[in-house]
This record gives sequence, structure tokens and C-alpha cells, in this order.
Amino acid sequence: GAVVSQHPSRVICKSGTSVKIECRSLDFQATTMFWYRQFPKKSLMLMATSNEGSKATYEQGVEKDKFLINHASLTLSTLTVTSAHPEDSSFYICSASSGSGTDTQYFGPGTRLTVL
Amino acid sequence: DQQVKQNSPSLSVQEGRISILNCDYTNSMFDYFLWYKKYPAEGPTFLISISSIKDKNEDGRFTVFLNKSAKHLSLHIVPSQPGDSAVYFCAAQNFGNEKLTFGTGTRLTIIP
Repeated sequence: GAVVSQHPSRVICKSGTSVKIECRSLDFQATTMFWYRQFPKKSLMLMATSNEGSKATYEQGVEKDKFLINHASLTLSTLTVTSAHPEDSSFYICSASSGSGTDTQYFGPGTRLTVL
Repeated sequence: DQQVKQNSPSLSVQEGRISILNCDYTNSMFDYFLWYKKYPAEGPTFLISISSIKDKNEDGRFTVFLNKSAKHLSLHIVPSQPGDSAVYFCAAQNFGNEKLTFGTGTRLTIIP
């Protein structure tokens, strides 16, 4: 079955630093990857959608200069939280899809970011 | 290896009837299960959850059943309404670990 990994699983950083989170599809080509942020009450907020080789599409209210997304290959997308602040502390989850128009998404295990 | 499986990618149900969405898991360490509903271009929204110490949890029109011996859970929606048309994901957790393992989703279409 399809597997999506995220690295790191946990990261603690100081305020003002940048943190990069990787999302990899291990055994399939992900033409589309999604980045989510989890809020209390467990729902996931879609932050952005990225297609390989093109710029990510950000959801309203998500600062694209703060949350840099790169989908450099069909198996790797990265989310960089720049100049992190304590309010950026959250659980970030990626998912990947092998084709447009499909509902099947494979989710990564998530990354817990804590900004001190 | 897909530890949480939703074997039906799609399901169509008549309005007013019962919708049953199924989910199977392989990891016996999972002890908390969640269902999410997802509309296009939005993040999944939490619907209902169940702990492994229970076999049923009900919230309005939504009921989740857990069969631990079969490693199977199901979400029942009754009566189904047009607004229920969405993609439904089940997810599982180990106690004390926030990592969520998701299924691949089932698209539910409610036919008026």
C-alpha cells in the first residue's frame, strides 16, 4: 500500500528560526500534495495544495511568505516555517494524491512543531 | 503498508436511508478511532470518535461501531441528507501518541 512519511516527527525550535518539514511518498508518485495544520477539536485546516513543478496554491488566510512550500519532485514536498513564533506551534500533516480528480489521499504521520 | 483501510472508494445512498461507511485496521495497538468528513478544498472536519473500551458511540445522526476482534469500525449516518455528501476518512491513534493514521477515504453521495 501507499506510504507517506514525514520528517521530523517532532521538532522544537527557538522563536525567530526557520524549520523545514519534509513529506515523502515512498512508493508512488504524488502529483499533488496537501499540507494541513491541526487545531484543537481535531479538525485539520488545509493550508495549501502543491503540484509537482508548480507553485503551491495557498488557502485564504495562510501567509505564503511564512509557510514556504516546495514540491520539487513527484515524491517530495517540503514545508518551511520561516521566522517561527510560538503561535506557529501546532501539528502539521501532509497528504499525497497520485492523480488529480481522485479523492484518495494518503496521509503522513504528522509533525509536532513547538516554538519556544 | 496501509494500516487503516477503507476498501470502498465510493458509496451512493438515497436521501433518508442509512449510510454505512466501513473501515478496517491491522494494528492491534490502535485504541482510539476517529471519523472525519471532508468537503472539496477544505481540511477534514472531525465528526465522531470512539475509544477501544467502547463498542458504540452515538452523536445525533452519526453512530460509530467498533468491533475490536474483527479490527473493524463503521460509521452509520441515519437519515442521510444531501449535505452529508462528502469524502469520509477514518483515522486511528495509539493512546498517548497524537500521530493519526488515516484511511484513504470514501466518497459518499446522497441521492435526492
